[in-house]
Amino acid sequence: GENVEQHPSTLSVQEGDSAVIKCTYSDSASNYFPWYKQELGKGPQLIIDIRSNVGEKKDQRIAVTLNKTAKHFSLHITETQPEDSAVYFCAAKLGRNDMRFGAGTRLTVKP
Amino acid sequence: DTAVSQTPKYLVTQMGNDKSIKCEQNLGHDTMYWYKQDSKKFLKIMFSYNNKELIINETVPNRFSPKSPDKAHLNLHINSLELGDSAVYFCASSQVYSGLAKNIQYFGAGTRLSVL
Repeated sequence: GENVEQHPSTLSVQEGDSAVIKCTYSDSASNYFPWYKQELGKGPQLIIDIRSNVGEKKDQRIAVTLNKTAKHFSLHITETQPEDSAVYFCAAKLGRNDMRFGAGTRLTVKP
Repeated sequence: DTAVSQTPKYLVTQMGNDKSIKCEQNLGHDTMYWYKQDSKKFLKIMFSYNNKELIINETVPNRFSPKSPDKAHLNLHINSLELGDSAVYFCASSQVYSGLAKNIQYFGAGTRLSVL
């Protein structure tokens, strides 16, 4: 079964609003949590990541927060733009070579 | 130059056929992966190879056989194709460092397989 749960599956926001995507993981040994963006017809691409020894990380309009105790992590996109429209995946590293992905969130930013 | 390239981009075939998808990475990474993405966009790991050795083999039918002739290549061969094999298959690579948490995976553009 899935080790990473992701919500919501679809998200529609107005341009300029914020978008938040949430994930939970089950393996307490997970120590690395990347977020990937997949545009139409392309492969997923890393946009931000966080390690388990950090609670928050920010890169311009995107930020990721991690609550290790609750095994939750979230992606926050502020001042959304139409080009942010894509499918976003969270992931959690299980073992040295093993990454498990959430089911994806289709984000639509309406101009 | 494309970092992770996979061919073909599209593959349309009949049920029962055997087909292969090729993947090459020029990043010097030691680990390569195959993922299957179904129509609902769910991205599921199938295999992982580290230095040509199979590390992860998820519950995948044995009709799927990965082959890694060297660190830069991981090909996927599929025998007796079935309708349910229709999906987008992604190859990825990463460099895994012992003792470091980070594992950035670089994905190819995908191969859309349609089994008729």
